[in-house]
Amino acid sequence: EDKVVQSPLSLVVHEGDTVTLNCSYEVTNFRSLLWYKQEKKAPTFLFMLTSSGIEKKSGRLSSILDKKELFSILNITATQTGDSAVYLCALTGTASKLTFGTGTRLQVTL
Amino acid sequence: DTEVTQTPKHLVMGMTNKKSLKCEQHMGHRAMYWYKQKAKKPPELMFVYSYEKLSINESVPSRFSPECPNSSLLNLHLHALQPEDSALYLCASSQDAAGAPPAEQYFGPGTRLTVT
Repeated sequence: EDKVVQSPLSLVVHEGDTVTLNCSYEVTNFRSLLWYKQEKKAPTFLFMLTSSGIEKKSGRLSSILDKKELFSILNITATQTGDSAVYLCALTGTASKLTFGTGTRLQVTL
Repeated sequence: DTEVTQTPKHLVMGMTNKKSLKCEQHMGHRAMYWYKQKAKKPPELMFVYSYEKLSINESVPSRFSPECPNSSLLNLHLHALQPEDSALYLCASSQDAAGAPPAEQYFGPGTRLTVT
């Protein structure tokens, strides 16, 4: 069975800090790894990673995948209070199913 | 446009009621999904439709009945629910399909369901 483990479970940082969120996984047939941000309602898509070592970047957020060591990280630089959310890592294996990790709850304080 | 819409936003129903949740996307996506999310938990997959056919049922109780009338619409019919079924129900869609390159899923805003 596919498995996704995220760490830390929660994190409190000060505005301006840089944070690194971790996601490790076990999967039978890897297709992609995705990161989502969830505030009050639906998860919003951040990145999809399919190849090792290629960094995806969007503004202050970036992510990279290591398919040999079976993990991904999500970096957020110069954090802002609007970055406060739950960050979900998810895996697609066979059959287009998304298997989610439990999420990392990030709180950015002033 | 990456919008998935869901109605209603909130629903309160009794255990003997029958109601339906609706989801719509106009992105031409071939796969549509229903997820259930309890508080402080990640979404859990319930059903997957691929090309309007049910491809995955994650052992969901029969009181939940999905329907895909066409490629843009996805319904979830509810009947005789239990209080523990109260949750946020999320619809998602993607271009992903068997044999195709992987594609991201886009989520709707969800329906917050309360069963009394």
